[in-house]
Amino acid sequence: AAGVIQSPRHLIKEKRETATLKCYPIPRHDTVYWYQQGPGQDPQFLISFYEKMQSDKGSIPDRFSAQQFSDYHSELNMSSLELGDSALYFCASSLRPLGGGASNQPQHFGDGTRLSIL
Amino acid sequence: AQKVTQAQTEISVVEKEDVTLDCVYETRDTTYYLFWYKQPPSGELVFLIRRNSFDEQNEISGRYSWNFQKSTSSFNFTITASQVVDSAVYFCALSEGSNDYKLSFGAGTTVTVRA
Repeated sequence: AAGVIQSPRHLIKEKRETATLKCYPIPRHDTVYWYQQGPGQDPQFLISFYEKMQSDKGSIPDRFSAQQFSDYHSELNMSSLELGDSALYFCASSLRPLGGGASNQPQHFGDGTRLSIL
Repeated sequence: AQKVTQAQTEISVVEKEDVTLDCVYETRDTTYYLFWYKQPPSGELVFLIRRNSFDEQNEISGRYSWNFQKSTSSFNFTITASQVVDSAVYFCALSEGSNDYKLSFGAGTTVTVRA
């Protein structure tokens, strides 16, 4: 079965550079979540999209922005990168029932993008 | 405030022993979902099990089983007859409708299974 695809798998950047992470959800999934996992930490929610509209926002820095496109893929744009942005970035997708009610579907995660800031 | 608490930081067992991971959660929602995810050294997050708040039936799936008790807000997870490949970080997570169903993770428990 198709899974969540993230690219790139690894990314090395220098301070103050920009980065774009991409996420392709499982086909027919309408909701995308982004999480950041620092070294030795649990994943922290950044932002989510439902039907191409931002549905919730967590502890995402103003330097970061994201969007979901018409084909449901999502991109996380990161600017003015700092050393503290070094982390594993996960994208997850799920499908909500019609009406956007309670979802009985688990979030399926991509393999993550490991971002290293030098 | 931490919504999900995993009190055990690390657990080390010998192969074939059972491992039980504790998870306590906090929510005001009546509809919510609880999950266990596994993160092996390679880094990916692997979905293991899900339970919704209306179903306290405890089940067994292969070597995995879980004990969901709303009265104590606990969702414990057991690996029976552990194997070396079970070595990973295990995360308990909570999804609430009032929180757009995003996952709130516990701090994780590192399980090491020795041969």
